[in-house]
Amino acid sequence: DAKTTQPPSMDCAEGRAANLPCNHSTISGNEYVYWYRQIHSQGPQYIIHGLKNNETNEMASLIITEDRKSSTLILPHATLRDTAVYYCIVRVGDDLVFGKGTRLSVIA
Amino acid sequence: DAGVIQSPRHEVTEMGQEVTLRCKPISGHNSLFWYRQTMMRGLELLIYFNNNVPIDDSGMPEDRFSAKMPNASFSTLKIQPSEPRDSAVYFCASSHTSGSYGTQYFGPGTRLTVL
Repeated sequence: DAKTTQPPSMDCAEGRAANLPCNHSTISGNEYVYWYRQIHSQGPQYIIHGLKNNETNEMASLIITEDRKSSTLILPHATLRDTAVYYCIVRVGDDLVFGKGTRLSVIA
Repeated sequence: DAGVIQSPRHEVTEMGQEVTLRCKPISGHNSLFWYRQTMMRGLELLIYFNNNVPIDDSGMPEDRFSAKMPNASFSTLKIQPSEPRDSAVYFCASSHTSGSYGTQYFGPGTRLTVL
């Protein structure tokens, strides 16, 4: 079973920041938080991951709370092409256990 | 660089037939994963290899499914005989290292329909 909880769906206006929350209250000290997204009919795409520090790359920022029990993925300027299902995953060893994710709809 | 390559992209077959799905991982990656995605069950890990050796096949549904990795650049997932309930999208992914430190990169998937 997935160790994360995400809202099933969210809307975001084009050009605005999309903030996708994730709860992982049972995370262990050595478990990473990974984010993937899946655009319709495509394979999952890696976005970002982190352990306890905030991370930023060309796609997004990942904010992890100090107690590591939750995190937020931030897409700073959402576009229509960011419409997808976003998966928050607590990584246990080699497995990526995908939950149901959040369906993000970016609206023009 | 080429990503993970899967073939065929679409496969339609009849119940009882043998189906072989193929995957070419990213060059230099030493771990390879096979996943299956359905509407009912979402994305599930079937099996993964590290340095061409199967590490965990606990997700393989039953004996009708088998996977091989004869070398570092090629893997197959075979279903024999196929059944309608095997209809799904099958993804292959690869990573540079195993464990929590290896980011997995996914291929475009093979959409299998068993009639």
